[in-house]
Amino acid sequence: EDQVTQSPEALRLQEGESSSLNCSYTVSGLRGLFWYRQDPGKGPEFLFTLYSAGEEKEKERLKATLTKKESFLHITAPKPEDSATYLCAVDAGGTSYGKLTFGQGTILTVHP
Amino acid sequence: GAVVSQHPSRVICKSGTSVKIECRSLDFQATTMFWYRQFPKQSLMLMATSNEGSKATYEQGVEKDKFLINHASLTLSTLTVTSAHPEDSSFYICRSVRGAEAFFGQGTRLTVV
Repeated sequence: EDQVTQSPEALRLQEGESSSLNCSYTVSGLRGLFWYRQDPGKGPEFLFTLYSAGEEKEKERLKATLTKKESFLHITAPKPEDSATYLCAVDAGGTSYGKLTFGQGTILTVHP
Repeated sequence: GAVVSQHPSRVICKSGTSVKIECRSLDFQATTMFWYRQFPKQSLMLMATSNEGSKATYEQGVEKDKFLINHASLTLSTLTVTSAHPEDSSFYICRSVRGAEAFFGQGTRLTVV
């Protein structure tokens, strides 16, 4: 069974204090790993897709990396507007094309 | 702008009534739509996968007679919560795929009183 575990469950940072969120996964075959941002009461917003170990992608203050067992979302010099829940999901492929398994999410709060 | 439009964003209904949630794909044909449910501070749980013109595939433990999914066209998929009860109160979200990209609707907050 595919599993995705995110840590920590919640993270509080001061503005400018860089940190990382972790996403550990166990799948039979990884088609892709996704990172999303979700604001309260809204649907998730796409951030990144990573496909193979060693791949990295960046967007503004965010950088996502991937190994064979986990992914990290690095946040550099965060701002209060980065506060949100960050979700990690995997697409294990097979016959269920596009079907994602989600982690529990990390609630990030950035204080000014 | 949004590529998947979900309505309504919020709905309050009485126990025993039915509620329909719509997801429309904008500017592309969504052959597949995934429906999720999310409880407060929890992750998204896949309920079912709908494919245009065929019956939806439900995840284990999801009552197909209670959560009716219709995907009659390439741009519209609907989820109907029938005979709603307070325990059905939740955040429902749809997701579609366009090529290698996946897009979520804005979500629907359902409250059953």
